[in-house]
Amino acid sequence: SQQGEEDPQALSIQEGENATMNCSYKTSINNLQWYRQNSGRGLVHLILIRSNEREKHSGRLRVTLDTSKKSSSLLITASRAADTASYFCATGTLDSNYQLIWGAGTKLIIKP
Amino acid sequence: DAGVTQSPTHLIKTRGQHVTLRCSPISGHKSVSWYQQVLGQGPQFIFQYYEKEERGRGNFPDRFSARQFPNYSSELNVNALLLGDSALYLCASSFASQGTEAFFGQGTRLTVV
Repeated sequence: SQQGEEDPQALSIQEGENATMNCSYKTSINNLQWYRQNSGRGLVHLILIRSNEREKHSGRLRVTLDTSKKSSSLLITASRAADTASYFCATGTLDSNYQLIWGAGTKLIIKP
Repeated sequence: DAGVTQSPTHLIKTRGQHVTLRCSPISGHKSVSWYQQVLGQGPQFIFQYYEKEERGRGNFPDRFSARQFPNYSSELNVNALLLGDSALYLCASSFASQGTEAFFGQGTRLTVV
């Protein structure tokens, strides 16, 4: 069963705009990770945020984590056409920390 | 520096056959995990191996098995293939068994006809 649920399922914006994707999860976590996937191929790791962290930045990416609401958000600023991809959140839970549990992803389309 | 490599990239099999998928982790990584991703969905955890021992198993039938070799490479075996086994099979390597980022290969696209 899937732990995470991304919202929205699909997002289409103009190049240069900011894109925000949300992830909600069900059980307590040790960490939450965001990945990007292009055209149904391999997943690229973006950011890992631990349960005791609230915000992390990496380049144009900003991730927040609210463990009280069991939710996370991924913000991509100044979007580019190359950001077009599916974005997934994955959680490492406290009771089964060896595996990542994934949501169904947000499909992001950046229009030139 | 080589990333995670998976072979083959594409595979077509007939129902009832068996298949072996291979994965070489990043040098120095001792953990290998296998995931199945059906089109339009997120990956589903199948197995994790760390230091050649099975550390976790997802909700998959016994037709699925795996192993990790002394050089930390891994094989995923699926017997008695069903049409529903058609999916992208992803291998991920990480340095530790838990709590660290996972690096994925490009996957093996398995089609069962």
